[in-house]
Amino acid sequence: AQSVSQHNHHVILSEAASLELGCNYSYGGTVNLFWYVQYPGQHLQLLLKYFSGDPLVKGIKGFEAEFIKSKFSFNLRKPSVQWSDTAEYFCAVNAIPTGGFKTIFGAGTRLFVKA
Amino acid sequence: DTEVTQTPKHLVMGMTNKKSLKCEQHMGHRAMYWYKQKAKKPPELMFVYSYEKLSINESVPSRFSPECPNSSLLNLHLHALQPEDSALYLCASSPRQALAGTGELFFGEGSRLTVL
Repeated sequence: AQSVSQHNHHVILSEAASLELGCNYSYGGTVNLFWYVQYPGQHLQLLLKYFSGDPLVKGIKGFEAEFIKSKFSFNLRKPSVQWSDTAEYFCAVNAIPTGGFKTIFGAGTRLFVKA
Repeated sequence: DTEVTQTPKHLVMGMTNKKSLKCEQHMGHRAMYWYKQKAKKPPELMFVYSYEKLSINESVPSRFSPECPNSSLLNLHLHALQPEDSALYLCASSPRQALAGTGELFFGEGSRLTVL
């Protein structure tokens, strides 16, 4: 069965600091990988996704993630965070084809950026 | 704003009540989902509909009854709920089919349910 683990549950950074959030999944086959963000009081929205091709994917608001197949990892990065990045970040995986319609979410990382 | 609309945004109900949550999308997506999210927890999959047919039921108690009247609408009927069912209920849709993966999920803002 597919599963997702996020290493950091709470992260506090100052503005302009660099961010890296860890995500590992367990599934030996093909996967679609996602990072979703949930800003305070807002709906879950896609930050970026990986289906195939270049393992370094760029998303909205300056975020990027790198898929490392050998490490089963899909870490999220941003070189310089802003106060407006304060949110909860979820890594998610959909296993192909056994996962079918199941997108499984990690436990989430709450990021607080100090102004 | 999201293209998936959920109503009501807030619902308070007693354990003997019957209520429904509604979800609507007009993106032409043929897969629709119900997720449950407790405070400080990730979304947990409850049901998946594909082409208006129930595709996945994640062993959800029968007091939750999903319905997909057409390709744009998804309902969740609630009856005899327990206080521990209080949560944010999220509706989502996706454009892709199972064998190719779900693709991106488009979420609504959720219906926050409180069971007294």
